[in-house]
Amino acid sequence: EVQLVESGGGLVQPGGSLRLSCAASGFTFNVWSMNWARQAPGKGLEWVSYITGDMRTIHYADSVRGRFTISRDNAKNSVYLQMNSLRDEDSAVYYCARGLQAALDFWGQGTTVTVSS
Amino acid sequence: QSALTQPASVSGSPGQSITISCIGSSSDVGNYNFVSWYQQHPGKAPKCLIYEVSNRPSGVSNRFSGSKSGNTASLTISGLQAEDEGYYYCASYTGRSTRLFGGGTKLTVL
Repeated sequence: EVQLVESGGGLVQPGGSLRLSCAASGFTFNVWSMNWARQAPGKGLEWVSYITGDMRTIHYADSVRGRFTISRDNAKNSVYLQMNSLRDEDSAVYYCARGLQAALDFWGQGTTVTVSS
Repeated sequence: QSALTQPASVSGSPGQSITISCIGSSSDVGNYNFVSWYQQHPGKAPKCLIYEVSNRPSGVSNRFSGSKSGNTASLTISGLQAEDEGYYYCASYTGRSTRLFGGGTKLTVL
């Protein structure tokens, strides 16, 4: 059974940093691309970032490029999102999701990030 | 980059069919067969219903079908059931190697 479990969310002040983690199980992690997406309270979904299984290709949404960094450790079956220079508008539930071509075919339950002073 | 355009809400009665549209541009929906659809119930994680315009992941009911014409993609739900009520989002790969979601559609089963 595919499982994705996010962790690392919490309350952080504007300008601060946070590192999210996503632990994967139930599939051959190193051959699958992974994504991060987010959903602000009461709002729709927003794609954030993508990384291939071999880590050769990485993409970011314009809204986070230069502030967020996606990475993965295939030995630990984990993907990460380092978030720096956080803003109020980054407050959201952050989901990791497995990539199927350009789709996100399986999602974790999410971790909540709140940016507030 | 603006979100793909979806109707804010649609409704239907049990047993009926409904269609949700997703309007993009020649930079996304119109130029790539990488349109996907997601279902989300309140407080839950999204679930992928369709990928690559019309393919269903394993385990997804064949009541859900997808199509595309030009810059507009569509999700059709046939034999509407009470448990189909929720939010639906489309998404597309874009020419800038990003993924773009629609604003979401609330489906009400009457």
